[in-house]
Amino acid sequence: SSELTQDPAVSVALGQTVRITCQGDTLRIYYASWYQQKPGQAPVLVIYGKNKRPSGIPDRISGSSSGNTASLTITGTQAEDEADYYCNSRDSSGHHVVFGGGTKLTVL
Amino acid sequence: QVQLVQSGAEVKTPGASVKVSCKASGYTFTDYYMHWVRQAPGQGLEWMGWINPNRGVTNYVEKFKGRVTMTRDTSISTAYMELSRLKSDDSAVYYCARLIAMAGNYYFDYWGQGTLVAVSS
Repeated sequence: SSELTQDPAVSVALGQTVRITCQGDTLRIYYASWYQQKPGQAPVLVIYGKNKRPSGIPDRISGSSSGNTASLTITGTQAEDEADYYCNSRDSSGHHVVFGGGTKLTVL
Repeated sequence: QVQLVQSGAEVKTPGASVKVSCKASGYTFTDYYMHWVRQAPGQGLEWMGWINPNRGVTNYVEKFKGRVTMTRDTSISTAYMELSRLKSDDSAVYYCARLIAMAGNYYFDYWGQGTLVAVSS
């Protein structure tokens, strides 16, 4: 079982704002990072650390954290944002990695 | 530019072993830990473990201990993941991923393209 919990599926209307959450006790200690995965492709890092975006990731994608919950927010959601999103962090030992179960984002 | 290029798809029978390679380029191979993550069809990401390419030290998820071996060849900047005693539920896409761990940040910035391993009799 995963130490990070995500909602399995979320939907959003085109152009609207959506928040995807990731819960886990280790998020009180460690930052989460977020990955976008489209069908048949490898995951792509979209958010890491305290709301940092790698080069090439649009600024409509942002991250935040409060207590044991990390959030990924997409404002002005575009059709190309439809994908699976995974959070990850260290586990409670600090020596291993754990992924959330993933959230399938559907853009309506 | 950083690239991780993995070996091609494999089809194996139950009980066999598979060895997947991950060739790194565009950076100093020994400066970053390499992790392996797998994804079964229609499922989420499952972390398997890491190798420190500089010293060859490894750390595996308990679930895979005794079946997985991660190695590296620094002369060709390549990491390997070998999984033995394959079962049908080992059928998955296997990814290598470079870890960044600094200043409190811990994330995978580059991923290989994935290697499909199919286990079937």
